[in-house]
Amino acid sequence: NAGVMQNPRHLVRRRGQEARLRCSPMKGHSHVYWYRQLPEEGLKFMVYLQKENIIDESGMPKERFSAEFPKEGPSILRIQQVVRGDSAAYFCASRGAPSNQPQHFGDGTRLSIL
Amino acid sequence: SQQGEEDPQALSIQEGENATMNCSYKTSINNLQWYRQNSGRGLVHLILIRSNEREKHSGRLRVTLDTSKKSSSLLITASRAADTASYFCATDAMEYGNKLVFGAGTILRVKS
Repeated sequence: NAGVMQNPRHLVRRRGQEARLRCSPMKGHSHVYWYRQLPEEGLKFMVYLQKENIIDESGMPKERFSAEFPKEGPSILRIQQVVRGDSAAYFCASRGAPSNQPQHFGDGTRLSIL
Repeated sequence: SQQGEEDPQALSIQEGENATMNCSYKTSINNLQWYRQNSGRGLVHLILIRSNEREKHSGRLRVTLDTSKKSSSLLITASRAADTASYFCATDAMEYGNKLVFGAGTILRVKS
């Protein structure tokens, strides 16, 4: 397994429930980015994390969304009290050092809100 | 318009023809990257061109960068049906974190 792994691939939630999206970066990568993609649009940056630290969360909605990247285990994007507008594809990307290395993407989690 | 705008929005060509996609951006950049996305899948990194480079090749791909015009182009030569996908440019702006700013993409369809 050399790539970025995201799970689940598809997630269905009812309005008001919580959604947890997981991302395991490529081996040796300690920088993780989350992006959201609406249908027929490009990806929009949400948050950038390094191990145990949030570096840039300027793209995260102010409420209901949170992200973490613990010392051990995958990065988690958590959406509380989901609404229909949260339906989208959520992609995780990772990169190694130095900072000019390309980001490598997972296959995404497609979140559908009923 | 936002950083990293591609044109055309959609392109349909015959197998064997060349495909050219363009990207414009607004701010200073560290580098510009092109990605491909097949339907329902994640993004595959194609090529990265740094701000001090003008042209880069990788197989059938050729990327140019004109920082004075803040634009880039992706040329796919001798296209194949398997090249059918969406193509995105993404800029890595001059700020900490290297978050990528994507355009809306070009949908390429190669007919066999």
